[in-house]
Amino acid sequence: DAGVIQSPRHEVTEMGQEVTLRCKPISGHDYLFWYRQTMMRGLELLIYFNNNVPIDDSGMPEDRFSAKMPNASFSTLKIQPSEPRDSAVYFCASSFRGGATDTQYFGPGTRLTVL
Amino acid sequence: KNQVEQSPQSLIILEGKNCTLQCNYTVSPFSNLRWYKQDTGRGPVSLTIMTFSENTKSNGRYTATLDADTKQSSLHITASQLSDSASYICVVSGEGGSQGNLIFGKGTKLSVKP
Repeated sequence: DAGVIQSPRHEVTEMGQEVTLRCKPISGHDYLFWYRQTMMRGLELLIYFNNNVPIDDSGMPEDRFSAKMPNASFSTLKIQPSEPRDSAVYFCASSFRGGATDTQYFGPGTRLTVL
Repeated sequence: KNQVEQSPQSLIILEGKNCTLQCNYTVSPFSNLRWYKQDTGRGPVSLTIMTFSENTKSNGRYTATLDADTKQSSLHITASQLSDSASYICVVSGEGGSQGNLIFGKGTKLSVKP
């Protein structure tokens, strides 16, 4: 398997623009997670899905952020409108099950810069 | 408040030397603790996962220990290699062990010099 795939790898945009990040989880994995990583705050869970259904979105910072998972092989994280403070690396991860000792497999991340 | 504190923030060692990274947590109740390795520009990769009943777990030259009574964990790297240069992140799972309830440390940045 190719692992978790994210696109784009880098995104530079101007404040106010809409940004869409994409993720393809590992085939057969039931859980999908979206994280944000910054130097100041480290890794933060934004939202996660189980079988395409959002389970917990309490980490989503504002209404400007939204995530969807229309099918088992694709998810998007959208920011509209984007702000400079959204600049970070956004990771998608998936796991086979959501059990306590199941491993999360991370994608390579999308580095977002909002000017 | 549930927190995970890692020390040191950064560390420089010479190739071939051993080192130990520390993780203290205040998460309660506690389910399990994970160590991740994150190379620059890449996503984290799982090294070990330990439940509250496990004291030690190894993965090659990496050995993690856990003391659930004192809420401390350590990651020991033996005979370091240049490829060990990375950030090491300690992650604690709280009540229920749900993967949606993970508390992340900010990591220790390790640099291995030749």
